[in-house]
Amino acid sequence: DSGVTQTPKHLITATGQRVTLRCSPRSGDLSVYWYQQSLDQGLQFLIQYYNGEERAKGNILERFSAQQFPDLHSELNLSSLELGDSALYFCASSVRTSGRHEQFFGPGTRLTVL
Amino acid sequence: KNQVEQSPQSLIILEGKNCTLQCNYTVSPFSNLRWYKQDTGRGPVSLTIMTFSENTKSNGRYTATLDADTKQSSLHITASQLSDSASYICVVSYSRQGGSEKLVFGKGTKLTVNP
Repeated sequence: DSGVTQTPKHLITATGQRVTLRCSPRSGDLSVYWYQQSLDQGLQFLIQYYNGEERAKGNILERFSAQQFPDLHSELNLSSLELGDSALYFCASSVRTSGRHEQFFGPGTRLTVL
Repeated sequence: KNQVEQSPQSLIILEGKNCTLQCNYTVSPFSNLRWYKQDTGRGPVSLTIMTFSENTKSNGRYTATLDADTKQSSLHITASQLSDSASYICVVSYSRQGGSEKLVFGKGTKLTVNP
């Protein structure tokens, strides 16, 4: 158990819908990262937040957005869902923004868009 | 372009055998290299993290090597166990001055250990 929690574990929805994925980082970690992993693909970095502020952006679509709240939990919002958005979405947390630090990954949310 | 290439894509070995997974990268400026183990449907778990000056690092039956000159790394698994069946992901990080660390992920090697 990494200490990072994600809910829900599974999510099934239809095209065009909007969903929210939630992540709680390890106690004391200020950075939260979101990743997408499509079937048989590598992890794709989406976005990073540090202490409530956006710190880095990766291959995140305009239909996707995220935020980190004062209690440091984070939410990833996916809207106008398409079949291709079906994937595992992972959240990771770390204590520092830069330098040699380790990211701890949550168990992931499996999103299926029908 | 910053890239991480892993080989082989998949590997099947018998329990008790050793194996070596390869990682080549073109990430610059290099910060550190990590190996993660990812069980099917679960989040990746860190095995090792190595900086530029580290050539070898072990974690139990896992030994990672790094050649920063040739930009290659390997992960050697000794006396494999059924529980080693997983995807092994090589991740290289870079950090430009004033910016946060960025990670480049390989697609992973899927290892299957058969009894």
